[in-house]
Amino acid sequence: DVKVTQSSRYLVKRTGEKVFLECVQDMDHENMFWYRQDPGLGLRLIYFSYDVKMKEKGDIPEGYSVSREKKERFSLILESASTNQTSMYLCASRFSGTDGNYGYTFGSGTRLTVV
Amino acid sequence: AQTVTQSQPEMSVQEAETVTLSCTYDTSESDYYLFWYKQPPSRQMILVIRQEAYKQQNATENRFSVNFQKAAKSFSLKISDSQLGDAAMYFCAYKSGNTPLVFGKGTRLSVIA
Repeated sequence: DVKVTQSSRYLVKRTGEKVFLECVQDMDHENMFWYRQDPGLGLRLIYFSYDVKMKEKGDIPEGYSVSREKKERFSLILESASTNQTSMYLCASRFSGTDGNYGYTFGSGTRLTVV
Repeated sequence: AQTVTQSQPEMSVQEAETVTLSCTYDTSESDYYLFWYKQPPSRQMILVIRQEAYKQQNATENRFSVNFQKAAKSFSLKISDSQLGDAAMYFCAYKSGNTPLVFGKGTRLSVIA
């Protein structure tokens, strides 16, 4: 069964810490995405990557960065965590071709709490 | 920028009844895709149904069907014979070209036994 795996289901970090959220897919997908999910706000795009070493800003990139050194792994980095970054983080991937029009495959999410 | 609007934050339905979730979107594109995703308490996003804008026929997947009105930019989801397992957050999403999916804010569906 194909998978997008997020390394942590729950995470608690302190304000000011550098936080890494890891996402790995085993489907050889070119495109990967990080979304943030908050009640009443839906899913908002933070960053995405269409290929290795490539990254694009989404709608809310402030306070975040990403790394894509290998095709299967897309990391979201909170350089200095703040309480307003407490949220659910969802990773997704898809093929870049027309098969990608069948939607994304999502991970199970990381619920991050910054205290 | 494209936007997706789900005007119903919460809905409820009796088991075995039918419910319709609303979604409207704004775009100037003529070729695009629309999706409904389900997110149960497990948090795993599951693709429920998709619709290509160039197809006039409404998509159907078992108990799930859509009412796609391109001119009105409306894409509602109908769930027939609702089951307890249908209780979840439902997200409408839009995609055109190579741009990322744009999501609505979601509708929380409760199913009453």
